[in-house]
Amino acid sequence: GDSVTQMEGPVTLSEEAFLTINCTYTATGYPSLFWYVQYPGEGLQLLLKATKADDKGSNKGFEATYRKETTSFHLEKGSVQVSDSAVYFCALSEIGTYKYIFGTGTRLKVLA
Amino acid sequence: GAGVSQSPSNKVTEKGKDVELRCDPISGHTALYWYRQSLGQGLEFLIYFQGNSAPDKSGLPSDRFSAERTGGSVSTLTIQRTQQEDSAVYLCASSLSSLRNEKLFFGSGTQLSVL
Repeated sequence: GDSVTQMEGPVTLSEEAFLTINCTYTATGYPSLFWYVQYPGEGLQLLLKATKADDKGSNKGFEATYRKETTSFHLEKGSVQVSDSAVYFCALSEIGTYKYIFGTGTRLKVLA
Repeated sequence: GAGVSQSPSNKVTEKGKDVELRCDPISGHTALYWYRQSLGQGLEFLIYFQGNSAPDKSGLPSDRFSAERTGGSVSTLTIQRTQQEDSAVYLCASSLSSLRNEKLFFGSGTQLSVL
């Protein structure tokens, strides 16, 4: 079945450091790929998405590129801020289905 | 409402008691999802509603779990005879429809603790 694998956390970085959170997926068809973020005490919210190969999703300085050849959707940010401290979830959804498959989440802590 | 609302935000109960968790989705959203988030685990799919119908209940862990949705709006997740392993955060999400690419809007969750 479909699955999403994320790097384990927690990831601890200093402010202005470069961030990469790895995500790889397994899918039988052509999924859409998502990154959701969960700030402390809040619900998950969509950060960015990509719907086809080579698409790049971007938002709030975060980027992720849909790589079909490596079945990956790694999240990157050039310079993290303390306010980026949160849990990040990679997810996929296959066409024609309603089901979203989420990864286990990666906790990011950014220190001032 | 402005967002997905869940209540209660925290629930502490004794083993063996029944609990009801409520989700009020965004007005007009036809699709509604329940997920469970356990410590150190990802989001575990429980059940999906399209309107008042639940085409997929495959994620419900046992027959102690049930859910309903009325009027295409509010949904209630009921756990009977709670067990300690039911302790988790229960998340509700809604979307405009169940088509691919639809953005999910999540509530803040109900933290359930079974003593």
